[in-house]
This record gives sequence, structure tokens and C-alpha cells, in this order.
Amino acid sequence: EAGVVQSPRYKIIEKKQPVAFWCNPISGHNTLYWYLQNLGQGPELLIRYENEEAVDDSQLPKDRFSAERLKGVDSTLKIQPAELGDSAVYLCASSLGVTSGMADTQYFGPGTRLTVL
Amino acid sequence: AQTVTQSQPEMSVQEAETVTLSCTYDTSESNYYLFWYKQPPSRQMILVIRQEAYKQQNATENRFSVNFQKAAKSFSLKISDSQLGDTAMYFCAFMKSGGTYKYIFGTGTRLKVLA
Repeated sequence: EAGVVQSPRYKIIEKKQPVAFWCNPISGHNTLYWYLQNLGQGPELLIRYENEEAVDDSQLPKDRFSAERLKGVDSTLKIQPAELGDSAVYLCASSLGVTSGMADTQYFGPGTRLTVL
Repeated sequence: AQTVTQSQPEMSVQEAETVTLSCTYDTSESNYYLFWYKQPPSRQMILVIRQEAYKQQNATENRFSVNFQKAAKSFSLKISDSQLGDTAMYFCAFMKSGGTYKYIFGTGTRLKVLA
């Protein structure tokens, strides 16, 4: 079974430029998460989707960050415009979903390392 | 608000030896889940072990086991017969049950297994 897929793995951009990250969750996983991981820190949740609905986006900086999960499968996280402080690893994770009884266990993708110059 | 503390930024262990990574947490919840995740240098986080707070029995997965002390709010990970492939960052995570499905991670412990 394929795991969580993310692309690109690495991205280098100039500040003020836009950038987008893509995530494909494990097949059948209804819940999708985007995390931000700064160097030497644990991941911090940005947004959680249940199917196509964003049910927790309280930590998403909405002035420059946006996300979507059309059709409740793949998801895209966008930053526009990027700032120097956005340099970090962006992780995507998925889990079976709240009705499964196994919603607690999250499976992570390899992440996208963003460098803003 | 819940917090997770990993007080050991770095640790090392000789191959085949045993090492214990510590994790403490603060919560007023009675039902929750605890996890240990491993993040090798390639960066993909892998679930090592999970524990449900209502279960008194400590979880075990092959060479990995936990010492869960609910009253002390402690959740340590023991790695037996350490292997070079165990070299990684290890993160402890907390999630309360009942709807948020939000992990609270510690800052991690960098473990190096020495040949």
C-alpha cells in the first residue's frame, strides 16, 4: 500500500514569490493534516480536513496561507507571498477518519523542505 | 492546554545496548492517546508505538516498549538491542480523545546509535 505522497520534496524561492505544495493521502483516509516543522522542533498543526471540509484551521496564517482539498482526496497548501520566516518543512499526514475508530493514528509523508531566500 | 516535554535533546547508545527516551506531558484530560514517532534523516515520520491512556498494560512493539505512568504523566520509550537504523529524531506526541484529533508534539530527542 502506498504511503502519503508529497511533492515537491524541495523548493527554493525568492521572498514574495508564491509557492504550492501537494499531498496525496493514503487511499481511504478521510482525514488529512498539514503541519509545519521548524528546524529542531516538533510538527505544529496548520489545518485539518475531514473529507473536503476544513474542520480546524485555527493555526493557519490566513493572510498568506491557503489550502484546499477538492473532492476530499488530494490537497494543496499555498503560500502567497512567501516570507523568509516561512522556511521550514511542510508535512502532510492522513488518518482513517473520525468514524473509523482509528482516527488517532496519523501517517506522515516525507515532507517538502521550503527555503525562502 | 496540553504540553509535551522531552528533556533530552540528544542521546547516544552503543549498538546492541538499551536506551530509554523520556517524555512527560501535562493534561487535565483522563482519556487520551500517546505516541512515539521516529523521524530518520530522510525526514519521513514513522509511528513506533502508541498507547491508549485507559489501558494499564504498557505497549510493546518488538524491540520497542513504553513505560506509561499515568499518575506521573510520564511516557518513556525503551529501545532494546539498539541498531544503527534506530538513529533518528524521536518525537513524543499527545492527543486527547473525543474529537480534536490534534497531536501535540514534544521538541524531540536526537538519538545516535554508535557502532
